[in-house]
Amino acid sequence: DAGVTQSPTHLIKTRGQQVTLRCSPKSGHDTVSWYQQALGQGPQFIFQYYEEEERQRGNFPDRFSGHQFPNYSSELNVNALLLGDSALYLCASSFLGQGSPLHFGNGTRLTVT
Amino acid sequence: GNSVTQMEGPVTLSEEAFLTINCTYTATGYPSLFWYVQYPGEGLQLLLKATKADDKGSNKGFEATYRKETTSFHLEKGSVQVSDSAVYFCALLQGGSEKLVFGKGTKLTVNP
Repeated sequence: DAGVTQSPTHLIKTRGQQVTLRCSPKSGHDTVSWYQQALGQGPQFIFQYYEEEERQRGNFPDRFSGHQFPNYSSELNVNALLLGDSALYLCASSFLGQGSPLHFGNGTRLTVT
Repeated sequence: GNSVTQMEGPVTLSEEAFLTINCTYTATGYPSLFWYVQYPGEGLQLLLKATKADDKGSNKGFEATYRKETTSFHLEKGSVQVSDSAVYFCALLQGGSEKLVFGKGTKLTVNP
């Protein structure tokens, strides 16, 4: 049973460019959340998707957007990249509702130069 | 707002030493509390959790007790192994929210 898978594993982009990161949830999970983890910091919540809609959002600008597909997979898009967007981007999946533990992928390491 | 504060790292111990990583939180109501572990090059794995005051979460020899009076959830292990070397994150989940709030993490290195 595959867990949460993310692609690509590493990515290098230039300031001003746009990037798309992808996530496939653990089998049977219906909810996908995205987190940004800067070097030496804890993960910060970006947003959560359920039934193809953004359900909750953290304190991130509109440059960060997402999408969830009917098969529950998800994409994170970041426009107009800044140097400060360099981080590990983690996807986590779960069943909707309190008490359902999050299962994290190994992340995508984004470097903006 | 909600926040989690962990002890500053890094922490370096010898094998079989006792481990404590302090974690305190600020939240309204009664959040659920978690410890996650991140091994090098990997994502986060849930280590243990507690959902109400005085609950004790435990897994793989690690324990943490939800103390509402001190707003703490300290992680302990009686005898660490080299394989426990990782970064440990304390986190809370506020009731009615799906958003995990993490501390900054504490890096643990266990030497043989």
